[in-house]
Amino acid sequence: SQKIEQNSEALNIQEGKTATLTCNYTNYSPAYLQWYRQDPGRGPVFLLLIRENEKEKRKERLKVTFDTTLKQSLFHITASQPADSATYLCALDIGGGSGGSYIPTFGRGTSLIVHP
Amino acid sequence: DGGITQSPKYLFRKEGQNVTLSCEQNLNHDAMYWYRQDPGQGLRLIYYSQIVNDFQKGDIAEGYSVSREKKESFPLTVTSAQKNPTAFYLCASSTFNSDTQYFGPGTRLTVL
Repeated sequence: SQKIEQNSEALNIQEGKTATLTCNYTNYSPAYLQWYRQDPGRGPVFLLLIRENEKEKRKERLKVTFDTTLKQSLFHITASQPADSATYLCALDIGGGSGGSYIPTFGRGTSLIVHP
Repeated sequence: DGGITQSPKYLFRKEGQNVTLSCEQNLNHDAMYWYRQDPGQGLRLIYYSQIVNDFQKGDIAEGYSVSREKKESFPLTVTSAQKNPTAFYLCASSTFNSDTQYFGPGTRLTVL
C-alpha cells in the first residue's frame, strides 16, 4: 500500500539550533514533494516545493533535500526560533487526478517545539 | 484582499442532520478541494473539482456531497450518512495543474 511517514513524536529543540524533520515514503515515484506549515486550528501554509530532479532547495532559513533513491525528504530550519513552533506536513504528488492533475497526498505531520 | 474563506469557523450539528460548509475563493483558481483532518491524522481528500459543474470523489467521499456551480464556490454537505463527521474540515484551491495549494482557515464540525 502507498504510505507517507513522518515522525509522530514531537521534536523538541532549543532556540538557535537546527531542526531537522523527516518525510519517508514507499511505493511512490512522486514528481515533486512539498512542505507545509500548520498552526493549531488553522489551515496549512505552503513553504517549499522540491522536484524529483532537484537534490536541495533553500528559502531563507529553510532547506529541503530530496533523495529519490532513499525515498526520503529532509526539512531543515536553521537558527530556529520559538515562532517556528508548529506542525510541518509533507505532501507528495502521486498523480491520479483526472486529466493528469496534481492531487497531493499528505503525511500526518510532525510537531516542532522550539524552546527559548 | 485575495484569499480563500470558509464559514462558519465552528459548527455544531445534531445527529441525523445534514449540514453545509461554505468555501469561497477570489483567487480565480480553477481547482478546489475539500479535506478532512482528524487529530494526529494527515489530511484526507474528500472531493475535488477542477472546473465548474464537474467534481471527483476523493479517498473518503462516502457520506459527503459537493456542488460547483460557480468558479468561486465549492460548498460541502455533510450528510447524516457520514458515520463519524466530527472533524476539522479544510478547503483548498489551486490553479489547474499547479504545484501549490492555498488553504482556507478551516471549519471545525462537532456532532452533538
